[in-house]
Amino acid sequence: EVQLVESGGGLVQPGGSLRLSCAASGFIFSDHYMDWVRQAPGKGLEWVGRIRNKPNSYTTEYAASVKGRFTISRDDSKNSLYLQMNSLITEDTAVYYCARDFKSYGYYDYWGQGTLVTVSS
Amino acid sequence: IVLTQSPATLSLSPGERATLSCRASQSISTYLAWYQQKPGQTPRLLIYDASNRATGVPARFSGSGSGTDFTLTISSLEPEDFAVYYCQQRSNWPRTFGQGTKVEIK
Repeated sequence: EVQLVESGGGLVQPGGSLRLSCAASGFIFSDHYMDWVRQAPGKGLEWVGRIRNKPNSYTTEYAASVKGRFTISRDDSKNSLYLQMNSLITEDTAVYYCARDFKSYGYYDYWGQGTLVTVSS
Repeated sequence: IVLTQSPATLSLSPGERATLSCRASQSISTYLAWYQQKPGQTPRLLIYDASNRATGVPARFSGSGSGTDFTLTISSLEPEDFAVYYCQQRSNWPRTFGQGTKVEIK
């Protein structure tokens, strides 16, 4: 069974940093592109970024709203995905989901349960 | 690419037909997916590449369209179908989602 389990969320002050993790199981993690998607409370879905797999040099893509502040990485030996978030602003408050790319199509067939990040003083 | 969904809310009764629209600000060929999200749950992939049902999705869900105009149709609403539906494009970076259509019980 495919499982994605996020952790690392919490309350952080504006300007602070946080590192989210996503532990994957039930599939060959190293084969898949992985993305982060967020959802502000009561709002819609917003794509955050992507990391490709080793054959594609682990290249990344980011939304304009987080580029230069957030960094996505992965450790295939640990079946884990990470999101390093720096210079956090109140608008970053959201539930952050890791999501598995479906057949490298650019859609998401499995999602984690999400971890809440609250940026507030 | 901006995806605009309409209507924002659709009030229907079980058994009725639901028609949801997603319009792209520029052509995205058929590179569009639909997701269903119920309260407190994560999104579920329903349709990919405009008209292909994902694994396990009931046949009452169908998608159509190409270019800039897309439709998700639920042929006969079941009680478990009342939820929020999002469209998402994979044609261009950044990936974008529509703002959602809530299908509520009338």
